[in-house]
Amino acid sequence: GESVGLHLPTLSVQEGDNSIINCAYSNSASDYFIWYKQESGKGPQFIIDIRSNMDKRQGQRVTVLLNKTVKHLSLQIAATQPGDSAVYFCAEDSGGSNYKLTFGKGTLLTVNP
Amino acid sequence: ETGVTQTPRHLVMGMTNKKSLKCEQHLGHNAMYWYKQSAKKPLELMFVYNFKEQTENNSVPSRFSPECPNSSHLFLHLHTLQPEDSALYLCASSQAGSLNEQYFGPGTRLTVT
Repeated sequence: GESVGLHLPTLSVQEGDNSIINCAYSNSASDYFIWYKQESGKGPQFIIDIRSNMDKRQGQRVTVLLNKTVKHLSLQIAATQPGDSAVYFCAEDSGGSNYKLTFGKGTLLTVNP
Repeated sequence: ETGVTQTPRHLVMGMTNKKSLKCEQHLGHNAMYWYKQSAKKPLELMFVYNFKEQTENNSVPSRFSPECPNSSHLFLHLHTLQPEDSALYLCASSQAGSLNEQYFGPGTRLTVT
């Protein structure tokens, strides 16, 4: 079946380094993607999104890259800070009228001071 | 704060109890969702409501009963739950007809004893 998955379940980086979190998706009909951040004890927090007609979108310290050819999505965090430590999920929307998002399992990012 | 609130934040109930989870969104959205988040699993969509009408029931057991009295409020009524139903229950909302940018509440941590 169609699924969204993450290449790495855990990622540990040093404070100040750049982080890259990857996501593979298999539904070629997906036209909208979101990255969420979930801190311990909290609900997922919207970080950044991208539509399928784009291949790059930048936010504040975050960049999302979309490669439709290989069905790959990545989240880049610049100058990673301890407050960035969390689980990061990608989600895809394959369209339709049911408003469903399909979520990956998540990558745990740990930032070492 | 995401504009989506959930109560209670923590709930412990026995298998014979009846309880309800409440969600309220202050974002003016018209679509609301219930998700189940278990350890080491992706977010599982349970129910979708669009303009107060249920548009998705993702094969959820009947011991979970949703109610959406208006576009701002969503309830999940629980009865005769099983220990495996212990999880974090997340509510989300979005603006139907627009990009499926879903905003989540903090969740209710449910423990079934």
